[in-house]
Amino acid sequence: EVQLQQSGPELQRPGASVKLSCKASGYTFTEYYMYWVKQRPKQGLELIGRIDPEDCSTDYVEKFKNKATLTADTSSNTAYMQLSSLTSEDTATYFCVRSWEYWGQGVMVTVSS
Amino acid sequence: DIQMTQSPSSMSASLGDTVTITCLASQDIGNYLSWYQQKPGKSPKLMIYGATNLEDGVPSRFSGSRSGSDYSLTINSLGYDDEGIYHCHQYYEYPLTFGSGTKLEIK
Repeated sequence: EVQLQQSGPELQRPGASVKLSCKASGYTFTEYYMYWVKQRPKQGLELIGRIDPEDCSTDYVEKFKNKATLTADTSSNTAYMQLSSLTSEDTATYFCVRSWEYWGQGVMVTVSS
Repeated sequence: DIQMTQSPSSMSASLGDTVTITCLASQDIGNYLSWYQQKPGKSPKLMIYGATNLEDGVPSRFSGSRSGSDYSLTINSLGYDDEGIYHCHQYYEYPLTFGSGTKLEIK
């Protein structure tokens, strides 16, 4: 059974960075891109980017290029997303997604002073 | 980027009703369109892919259709469990994009 287990909720100060994790199981980690999606409260879904765990190549949506950094660790089958210089605009739930069928449970990031 | 214009943004319907949600693509996306249902505090659940194909386990009350650049999700015989937010999603071209969502309330 494919599972994507994300890390727990985060409360961060403005200007800080945070690293979120997504541990994959039930399939061969390197065979599928991992996507990351942002959902602000009461709003729609936005693609942040994707990583190919096979070679760690990445593609970012333009608006997230200086905000998110995607990495992957094949030894632990875990994908990571680091968000930098946090502002209130980064307060959202973040999902990891495999092949647009399997979603992590989401992690809520709250940025507040 | 491909824009997906979804309507309505919210709607209220009664048990047993039939409702339709639509997404208009700003350019050709073929049939590379999926629909998700999202419940509060949960991740989106794939309902329809390839514009018209029902995901395994999804009730046949749900159906997807296409007319040109207009894509529709129709739900027949509404039940309370159908309440939630529905998102369309184009996966024809990167960056993949979503509609703004439709909140469906069951009266």
